[in-house]
Amino acid sequence: KAGVTQTPRYLIKTRGQQVTLSCSPISGHRSVSWYQQTPGQGLQFLFEYFSETQRNKGNFPGRFSGRQFSNSRSEMNVSTLELGDSALYLCASSTTGDDYNEQFFGPGTRLTVL
Amino acid sequence: KQEVTQIPAALSVPEGENLVLNCSFTDSAIYNLQWFRQDPGKGLTSLLLIQSSQREQTSGRLNASLDKSSGRSTLYIAASQPGDSATYLCAVRVYSGAGSYQLTFGKGTKLSVIP
Repeated sequence: KAGVTQTPRYLIKTRGQQVTLSCSPISGHRSVSWYQQTPGQGLQFLFEYFSETQRNKGNFPGRFSGRQFSNSRSEMNVSTLELGDSALYLCASSTTGDDYNEQFFGPGTRLTVL
Repeated sequence: KQEVTQIPAALSVPEGENLVLNCSFTDSAIYNLQWFRQDPGKGLTSLLLIQSSQREQTSGRLNASLDKSSGRSTLYIAASQPGDSATYLCAVRVYSGAGSYQLTFGKGTKLSVIP
């Protein structure tokens, strides 16, 4: 069974641009969560999608958004990039995202903002 | 607000030693706890998952324990090897409202096993 895949693996953008990251969950998984990892803040929850609906959102500005498609693939978008958005963005999937589910992580997308 | 702390932040041990990594959390209302391994610049690999009703889980040379009432978990690594060098992250699954659950992570323990 294929794992969680994320594309692209690396991105370099300049301030003010926007970026779209993609995540394909494990087959059969319907919940997709996104996390941002930085050296200073560690791993922080961005948002979770289930059945094409955002169920939860972390404490990030509105520049961070996402969506989920009917095949459970998810994208996240960051508009008006800032230097502080440089981070490793990780996506995780689980079957339903409910209480006792285990989450499986992808390899991440490394975003560098210049 | 749930907070997860991992001590120590970094650890260096000679090959062959047994070692313990610690994780503590402030709110015992968790659904499960996962230990992950992260190699530099890479994603997270799940090592062990302990449900809130369980006390421990074992996989090979790894053993994780959970004491939910005291807000503590430990990851025990037996007979450490250089290939175990990585950052180990602890995360608790908590309810965040509106039918959604999320993982809250510690900052990790960076382990170096010296040959």
